[in-house]
Parts: sequence; structure tokens; C-alpha cells
Amino acid sequence: DAGVIQSPRHEVTEMGQEVTLRCKPISGHDYLFWYRQTMMRGLELLIYFNNNVPIDDSGMPEDRFSAKMPNASFSTLKIQPSEPRDSAVYFCASSLFGGGNEQFFGPGTRLTVL
Amino acid sequence: KQEVTQIPAALSVPEGENLVLNCSFTDSAIYNLQWFRQDPGKGLTSLLLIQSSQREQTSGRLNASLDKSSGRSTLYIAASQPGDSATYLCAGDTGANSKLTFGKGITLSVRP
Repeated sequence: DAGVIQSPRHEVTEMGQEVTLRCKPISGHDYLFWYRQTMMRGLELLIYFNNNVPIDDSGMPEDRFSAKMPNASFSTLKIQPSEPRDSAVYFCASSLFGGGNEQFFGPGTRLTVL
Repeated sequence: KQEVTQIPAALSVPEGENLVLNCSFTDSAIYNLQWFRQDPGKGLTSLLLIQSSQREQTSGRLNASLDKSSGRSTLYIAASQPGDSATYLCAGDTGANSKLTFGKGITLSVRP
């Protein structure tokens, strides 16, 4: 298996632009997680899905952030409009089941908003 | 709200030393605990998972344990090598859901 795949690996955009991050989880995994990592706050869970259904989005910072999972092999995290404070590394992870199962992380997308 | 503390933030040791990395949770009701390794500019790699019915896990030179009464976990690295240099993060959930809460990590440097 190729592992969790994320694209793009790096994204530089200007404030106010729409940003879309993409994730392909490991085949057969039922859970998908989106995280954000910054030096200040560390790694934070934004939202997670079970069987393509959003279960908990309490970590999404504000309405500018949205996430979808149209099928079991694809998810997007969208920021519209982007702001400089959104600059961070965004990780996608997947696991076979929920609690008690290993989460496998993608390589991340480094987002810079100018 | 669960908070995870990993102290110190950085550690430098000579090659060959045995070392212990600590992790503590404000809510000791940890159900599952996972230790990760992160290399600079990379994603997280799962090292060890301690599930709810377990107290420790071992993989090669690594051993992780969890004391549920105190909400503390340790990662033991035997005979450290320069290739062990990385940031080590612990994360736990309370079993009610799948949400992992992460520590900020300990950046380890092993000097040749």
C-alpha cells in the first residue's frame, strides 16, 4: 500500500485566495482525520470522518474551513478565504477502526499564506 | 480539556546511552496511547500503540509503558543511535471517541 497520500506537498498563496488540500487514505480504512501543526499550538485535530461521514468538527477553527469526504478514497480540506494565520502544516491520517487503532499519517501539506 | 505535557522539549545525548522520554496527561483516564516519531519536514510515523487492555509495548530497542493510575507514559530507547534523532510525540484518547490529543513532542539529538 502506498500509505496516506496528500497533495499538494507545498502550497503558497495570497491572503484571500481559496486553498484546497487533498487526501487519499489507506484503502480499507474507515476513519480519516485532518490535523494542523504549528510551532505555537502543536498538532491539533480539525475534523474526522467515519465511513465518509463527518463525526466531529469541533476543531475546525472557523467557518472559513470546510472538509468533505465524497467517497472512501478521497477527502478535501478547503480554506476560503485564506489568511496568513492559516499558515501551517496540514496532515491527513487514517485508521482501520476508531479508538484503539493506529493512525497512519500522510506526509503533510505545508501551507504558506502571504 | 485534555492536555498532554512532554518535558523537556529538547534532549541531547551521546550515542549508546539508554534514555527515557516522558509524557503526562491532565486527564488520567487514557484509553489508548500512541507514540510517534517525526523527522524534520516529514509526517508522523507510528512507533508503538498501547491499547486499552495493555500496559506496555515493545518493538526492537523501543519500549513504551502506560500507567493509567497517574496518566503517565514513558518511551524507553535502548542503546541510542544517531539515527534515532527526531521529534517524539505521544498522543492519547479517552476511549469515548477516536480523538487523539497530542503532546508537543521532545526533540532528541543523539551525538555520534
